[in-house]
Amino acid sequence: DQQVKQNSPSLSVQEGRISILNCDYTNSMFDYFLWYKKYPAEGPTFLISISSIKDKNEDGRFTVFLNKSAKHLSLHIVPSQPGDSAVYFCAASAEFDNQGGKLIFGQGTELSVKP
Amino acid sequence: GAVVSQHPSRVICKSGTSVKIECRSLDFQATTMFWYRQFPKQSLMLMATSNEGSKATYEQGVEKDKFLINHASLTLSTLTVTSAHPEDSSFYICSASRPGQPQHFGDGTRLSIL
Repeated sequence: DQQVKQNSPSLSVQEGRISILNCDYTNSMFDYFLWYKKYPAEGPTFLISISSIKDKNEDGRFTVFLNKSAKHLSLHIVPSQPGDSAVYFCAASAEFDNQGGKLIFGQGTELSVKP
Repeated sequence: GAVVSQHPSRVICKSGTSVKIECRSLDFQATTMFWYRQFPKQSLMLMATSNEGSKATYEQGVEKDKFLINHASLTLSTLTVTSAHPEDSSFYICSASRPGQPQHFGDGTRLSIL
């Protein structure tokens, strides 16, 4: 049972345009959501997160939106840059404040930003 | 940012060999470390959660006698794949965390069993 789903395995965007990566979840107990970015042969790097008490969190070019009623979150990158090309993982936790929280990951979306 | 070092980055060995992978948090004390496994084009699957000084908690379907985890200090956890076989070939990644903070990941270990 896939509790966190990223239904788009890949996304291609033109440089300067907006990239929107989507993530759906099924477990209503999730209270914290994170996005990680991963380059080949490296571990995931933390990008941005959002608590379930919020519906938006912004950090520079990156904004995460949370729609709890739809159990959906999205990551917006604007403007997109070629260096943003990577695999993006959505992750969710039901116990984040407790010892850092066990994470459930989506399958990842490979973003390609074309110059 | 927080740095997690994982070693070795690549291991190629014969079937039946036991392989030890180290995970170190370099600039913070990690109360909890996690071990994941990733198959090509798939998600990171949590194998076990390790708290310093206590036994690891394994996810369903993960053999604890096969994947031995030791978390002897707040900066070091090790995963030993015992008597590895070709089906154990995979990408293993560790992460380290402290309460209320995101997990920080190592760069992973590519394990290939011949």
